[in-house]
Amino acid sequence: DQQVKQNSPSLSVQEGRISILNCDYTNSMFDYFLWYKKYPAEGPTFLISISSIKDKNEDGRFTVFLNKSAKHLSLHIVPSQPGDSAVYFCAARRGGQNFVFGPGTRLSVLP
Amino acid sequence: GAVVSQHPSRVICKSGTSVKIECRSLDFQATTMFWYRQFPKQSLMLMATSNEGSKATYEQGVEKDKFLINHASLTLSTLTVTSAHPEDSSFYICSARDRGALSSYNEQFFGPGTRLTVL
Repeated sequence: DQQVKQNSPSLSVQEGRISILNCDYTNSMFDYFLWYKKYPAEGPTFLISISSIKDKNEDGRFTVFLNKSAKHLSLHIVPSQPGDSAVYFCAARRGGQNFVFGPGTRLSVLP
Repeated sequence: GAVVSQHPSRVICKSGTSVKIECRSLDFQATTMFWYRQFPKQSLMLMATSNEGSKATYEQGVEKDKFLINHASLTLSTLTVTSAHPEDSSFYICSARDRGALSSYNEQFFGPGTRLTVL
């Protein structure tokens, strides 16, 4: 049973436009969420996080929104750049437990 | 920033041989290291959690006798795939938790991964 879902395996966006990556989770006890970015043949790198006590966190071009009632979070990238092309994983955890990762969404930003 | 290295980055071996993968935290001490496995187009699957000086905790379905984990020091954990078979071919990624981090939820830093191909 997949607790963290990313239903879009891939997404293509034009350079300069907004990229929206979605993530849904089933465990209402999750209280912390992360987004990781991964290039081919490299390990994931941390991008942005959000606690369940917030509904929005912003860092430069990256904003994460959390809708607890819908058990949904999204990552917005504005404006999108070709260097943003990568696989994006969302991850969630409850308290001090290990993170559970979603399957990832491959973002392609077209010049 | 915190750096985690893995060695080797790529290994090709014959079926039946054993392969050791090293994970090192280069500029911080890691009491806990994690080993993940990623199949093509799939998510990171946690295999085991390794704590310095104690036995690793394996996730359900992961054979501890096949995937031997040793966390001998605060900066080094090793994963040995014993008697490797083609189905063990995968991308193995380690991560390390900074011992010095205080309630920092993003204190888990990932290595670059090791591509294992078993012929």
